[in-house]
Amino acid sequence: DAGVTQSPTHLIKTRGQHVTLRCSPISGHKSVSWYQQVLGQGPQFIFQYYEKEERGRGNFPDRFSARQFPNYSSELNVNALLLGDSALYLCASSNSGTGPYNEQFFGPGTRLTVL
Amino acid sequence: AQSVTQPDIHITVSEGASLELRCNYSYGATPYLFWYVQSPGQGLQLLLKYFSGDTLVQGIKGFEAEFKRSQSSFNLRKPSVHWSDAAEYFCAVGSLLQAGTALIFGKGTTLSVSS
Repeated sequence: DAGVTQSPTHLIKTRGQHVTLRCSPISGHKSVSWYQQVLGQGPQFIFQYYEKEERGRGNFPDRFSARQFPNYSSELNVNALLLGDSALYLCASSNSGTGPYNEQFFGPGTRLTVL
Repeated sequence: AQSVTQPDIHITVSEGASLELRCNYSYGATPYLFWYVQSPGQGLQLLLKYFSGDTLVQGIKGFEAEFKRSQSSFNLRKPSVHWSDAAEYFCAVGSLLQAGTALIFGKGTTLSVSS
């Protein structure tokens, strides 16, 4: 079975631009979470979606938004990019519900560089 | 607030030697604890998890971890390290949100293996 896939792999943007990152969960998984990993740090939680509804939001500004589609894939959107948004963006999926006991499977990430 | 501390930023171990990576957590209720490994340019792979029961948990690749409630610790161990174990290791706690779950990660420990 295919794992979590993310696109694009790498992305370079300039300050003020908008970016959309995409994630396809493992087949059958209904929950998708997004994390930001700045170089040298652990991942930081941004959003969790389950059955197309937002189930949690981390401490990120409103420039960050996300949605989940009927096929359970997800998009993360970031507006008005700042240099500090440069990071590896990780998507994770889990197969049942949103409880902490549900293992989250991570994709390889999208490396965003903001110049 | 929930948090995870990994006191060691970088550890170097000789191949064949034993390994212990430290993790301390702060969480009000019974913690859901995880160890993940991240190889360069890769996403996160789950090594093991603890929810309840036996405080010594076995994981993949020969890793184990011991939950000690009195010390708020969940240290990762391996009796004999292989060169392929060189990677970044993250400890995480599952944090219950209003309707979902977020993983809270430590800053990670970089493991180097010397021959």
